[in-house]
Amino acid sequence: ETGVTQTPRHLVMGMTNKKSLKCEQHLGHNAMYWYKQSAKKPLELMFVYSLEERVENNSVPSRFSPECPNSSHLFLHLHTLQPEDSALYLCASSQEASPRGYTFGSGTRLTVV
Amino acid sequence: KQEVTQIPAALSVPEGENLVLNCSFTDSAIYNLQWFRQDPGKGLTSLLLIQSSQREQTSGRLNASLDKSSGRSTLYIAASQPGDSATYLCAVSLGAYSGAGSYQLTFGKGTKLSVIP
Repeated sequence: ETGVTQTPRHLVMGMTNKKSLKCEQHLGHNAMYWYKQSAKKPLELMFVYSLEERVENNSVPSRFSPECPNSSHLFLHLHTLQPEDSALYLCASSQEASPRGYTFGSGTRLTVV
Repeated sequence: KQEVTQIPAALSVPEGENLVLNCSFTDSAIYNLQWFRQDPGKGLTSLLLIQSSQREQTSGRLNASLDKSSGRSTLYIAASQPGDSATYLCAVSLGAYSGAGSYQLTFGKGTKLSVIP
């Protein structure tokens, strides 16, 4: 475990389903992120939360809805996804002005059928 | 817009060889640069973090260098082992924290390394 825990590890969902990805960090960090990793593309930043406020939304479609109820938990709510949304979704956390950088979770492998 | 390029995209070497992975970035005003390792289907493991004021960092058989002015970093792996087989990702962070977007990491596509026994 890296200190950032993501569940579930794998998820298969239909295009009409609603599901949520969960991320929890045990590091006392004050910023959390969602990244998307598709085949043959660099990791793409989706959302940034700093001190529980969303500070970045990188033009992500509204079918992805983040939620950060406190500094330790981050959710990504999914609804009416498309097959091209199939990817590895990675959560990360960091501490402002820390030299230690980011810590990533193990990711959720999402398949949309 | 910051762009990160990693060369080569894939590399295959025999066990025991020393090797160098390259990373270049277009905007030299970075806060730090981080090298990660990713095993197939898994998340990212941080290997080395270099602050913009530093020239290099070392951890075991790994050494990362940073030439901020030329926009380049290298990851040197000594005496490679089959267990080093993975994808290595380079990422840069722009600016110290000053609000929206400052925490963002911009990633390269990675170098897929295979170490042959």
